[in-house]
Amino acid sequence: DQQVKQNSPSLSVQEGRISILNCDYTNSMFDYFLWYKKYPAEGPTFLISISSIKDKNEDGRFTVFLNKSAKHLSLHIVPSQPGDSAVYFCAAINTNAGKSTFGDGTTLTVKP
Amino acid sequence: DTAVSQTPKYLVTQMGNDKSIKCEQNLGHDTMYWYKQDSKKFLKIMFSYNNKELIINETVPNRFSPKSPDKAHLNLHINSLELGDSAVYFCASSQVFRLLSGNTIYFGEGSWLTVV
Repeated sequence: DQQVKQNSPSLSVQEGRISILNCDYTNSMFDYFLWYKKYPAEGPTFLISISSIKDKNEDGRFTVFLNKSAKHLSLHIVPSQPGDSAVYFCAAINTNAGKSTFGDGTTLTVKP
Repeated sequence: DTAVSQTPKYLVTQMGNDKSIKCEQNLGHDTMYWYKQDSKKFLKIMFSYNNKELIINETVPNRFSPKSPDKAHLNLHINSLELGDSAVYFCASSQVFRLLSGNTIYFGEGSWLTVV
């Protein structure tokens, strides 16, 4: 049972436009969510996080939205840049149990 | 300076061998983790230590054994390597065991293990 799903394995966007990456979860015990970015041959790097008490968190070009009732979160990148091309993972955490669960990742390609 | 460092970065070894991957963090974090990335690029947690104490031990074969000599180090030892153990293994650390707002997980660059 995969508790965190990223249903789109890949996404292609034109430079300057908005990239929207989606993530769905099933476990209502998750109370903290993160997005990671991963380039080939490198470890994932932290991008942005959101606590379940919020519905939006913004950091520069990156905004994460959380819809608890729908158990859905999304990452918006505006404007998209070619350097944003990477694999993006969402992760959900049950902080009481200290367990983190990752999605399968979405490969974003930003075309110049 | 690399915050979370793993060695070796690349390792090719034969089936049946025993190997270790070392991990060190210089962030002063209390919690360290080992993740395995499978062929589908899915990161799965294997172990987590908090202050040298094992707190997460997911269902992995007994051939995998973590060792934490101090809270800055978490090494992964694998006995009797099998072909299916080929993967990228990531070490990580975080400030505290219970992730609170403002804390997050810092990853190493990964150790690419190939079993032949």
